[in-house]
Amino acid sequence: KAGVTQTPRYLIKTRGQQVTLSCSPISGHRSVSWYQQTPGQGLQFLFEYFSETQRNKGNFPGRFSGRQFSNSRSEMNVSTLELGDSALYLCASSPPLAGAYNEQFFGPGTRLTVL
Amino acid sequence: KQEVTQIPAALSVPEGENLVLNCSFTDSAIYNLQWFRQDPGKGLTSLLLIQSSQREQTSGRLNASLDKSSGRSTLYIAASQPGDSATYLCAAAPMEYGNKLVFGAGTILRVKS
Repeated sequence: KAGVTQTPRYLIKTRGQQVTLSCSPISGHRSVSWYQQTPGQGLQFLFEYFSETQRNKGNFPGRFSGRQFSNSRSEMNVSTLELGDSALYLCASSPPLAGAYNEQFFGPGTRLTVL
Repeated sequence: KQEVTQIPAALSVPEGENLVLNCSFTDSAIYNLQWFRQDPGKGLTSLLLIQSSQREQTSGRLNASLDKSSGRSTLYIAASQPGDSATYLCAAAPMEYGNKLVFGAGTILRVKS
């Protein structure tokens, strides 16, 4: 079974631009979560989507948004990029098992550099 | 608000040594606690997941324990090898709606040959 894939793997943008990152979950998984990793703040939860609906959200400004499509693929968008948005963006998918929480499987990440 | 702390921040040991990484969390209302490994510039590899009802999990040379009442988890690595060099992250899954993990800052491990 293929793992979680993220595209692109590397991205360079300039301040003020916007960017869209893509995540394809493991086949059959319906939950996709996004995380931001920076040297200063570590790994922080952005949001989670399940069956095309945002189910949980972290403490990030409205410039960070996401969506999920009917095939469970998810995109994350950052508008009006700032230097501090430079980070490794990780997505994770979870299987639709019964239970309150399901294990997350992480992709390789997208490295975003804002100049 | 759940907060996760890892000690030490960095660790350098000779090959063959047994070692313990520590993780503490402030809120015991968790579904589970997970340990990950991250190599430089890469994504996360899940090592062990301990459900809130469990006390420990083992996989090969790795053993993780969980004490919810004291808000602590430890990852024990036996007979360390240079290939174990990486950053080790622990993450708690708070009892909230949906899937979410709260991560510690990680322990950078270097095993010298």
